[in-house]
Amino acid sequence: AQSVAQPEDQVNVAEGNPLTVKCTYSVSGNPYLFWYVQYPNRGLQFLLKYITGDNLVKGSYGFEAEFNKSQTSFHLKKPSALVSDSALYFCAVMFPSGSARQLTFGSGTQLTVLP
Amino acid sequence: EAQVTQNPRYLITVTGKKLTVTCSQNMNHEYMSWYRQDPGLGLRQIYYSMNVEVTDKGDVPEGYKVSRKEKRNFPLILESPSPNQTSLYFCASSSPLRGTEQFFGPGTRLTVL
Repeated sequence: AQSVAQPEDQVNVAEGNPLTVKCTYSVSGNPYLFWYVQYPNRGLQFLLKYITGDNLVKGSYGFEAEFNKSQTSFHLKKPSALVSDSALYFCAVMFPSGSARQLTFGSGTQLTVLP
Repeated sequence: EAQVTQNPRYLITVTGKKLTVTCSQNMNHEYMSWYRQDPGLGLRQIYYSMNVEVTDKGDVPEGYKVSRKEKRNFPLILESPSPNQTSLYFCASSSPLRGTEQFFGPGTRLTVL
């Protein structure tokens, strides 16, 4: 069975510093990997995804993520954090085969950027 | 504007009183899904639908029903709600292409007393 782990419930970083939100996965085959962000009282918004190709993918709001197959990781990164980046971040993995489009989510990481 | 809408946004009800949460999308998406979000558990899939009249169970389907009579609508039905169904519910939709991102509604916060 596929699973996703976000080992940190909470990440605090000072504004202007680089940020990393960690994600590791367990799934057979070649996974599709996603990052979503949830602002207070809002639905989830898509940030970026990895399907195939370049291991470094760039997404919305200056975020990027690096796919590392040997470490089965897909960490979310940003070179310089903003206070407005404070939100709940979810990593998700999708079955690479079959007809379903099921996303399996991690438990989420609350990012707080301190001014 | 492309969007997924849910109604109601907030609902407080009592055990056993049937309720329906509506979901509608205007992007002509074939795939629709319902999730519940609980602290520390992330989002878990309840039911999904690959197209009209095609639905299937997700990871936590017990106590829920769905229907897909029209492409744009995918209501979630709780025939006899219980307190353990108190949660934040999200509807999502996407195209059928493998690997495409899902678009999420704003969420419905349900409290069952």
